[in-house]
Amino acid sequence: AQSVTQLGSHVSVSEGALVLLRCNYSSSVPPYLFWYVQYPNQGLQLLLKYTSAATLVKGINGFEAEFKKSETSFHLTKPSAHMSDAAEYFCAVAEKGGAQKLVFGQGTRLTINP
Amino acid sequence: DSGVTQTPKHLITATGQRVTLRCSPRSGDLSVYWYQQSLDQGLQFLIQYYNGEERAKGNILERFSAQQFPDLHSELNLSSLELGDSALYFCASSAGGGGRYNEQFFGPGTRLTVL
Repeated sequence: AQSVTQLGSHVSVSEGALVLLRCNYSSSVPPYLFWYVQYPNQGLQLLLKYTSAATLVKGINGFEAEFKKSETSFHLTKPSAHMSDAAEYFCAVAEKGGAQKLVFGQGTRLTINP
Repeated sequence: DSGVTQTPKHLITATGQRVTLRCSPRSGDLSVYWYQQSLDQGLQFLIQYYNGEERAKGNILERFSAQQFPDLHSELNLSSLELGDSALYFCASSAGGGGRYNEQFFGPGTRLTVL
């Protein structure tokens, strides 16, 4: 069965600093991979996705992620954090060719310090 | 705005009761997915319907059931409610039901509180 592990339930960075949120997946074949963001009292918004095209994926709000098959990782980065980036971030996987139900990691709460 | 609507936004009820959550997918989307977000279990997939038929099932309790109607809206029925059912319930929709990648668009959720 597929699973997702997000390292660090809480990450705190200073405004302007690099953001790095870690995600590792477990799957017998490379799946589809996603990062979602959830702002307080809101639904989930897709930040970016990997669907077996380029391994470096650019998303909205300046975020990007790199698929590394050898490391089974899909870490999310942003070069310079902004106060508006404070939110909960979820990494998710979906099986290729299947029903594409999403399996989520436990989430990482990102705090931005002024 | 994702185009997926969910009603009600908030629901407060008592243990043992039954509630119905409603989801309207984006125009043209045939698939509806239900997810539960709780402090204990995190975000987990419950069930998927595609064009009126059940397509995939996750960790959905027997007390819970869902259906998708001919107009493609979906309802999630939760019965014999327990305190642990308190959670945020999300609906998502996508154009297809599987195979090639289909992006899921999430609604704002229904927050259920069981007292």
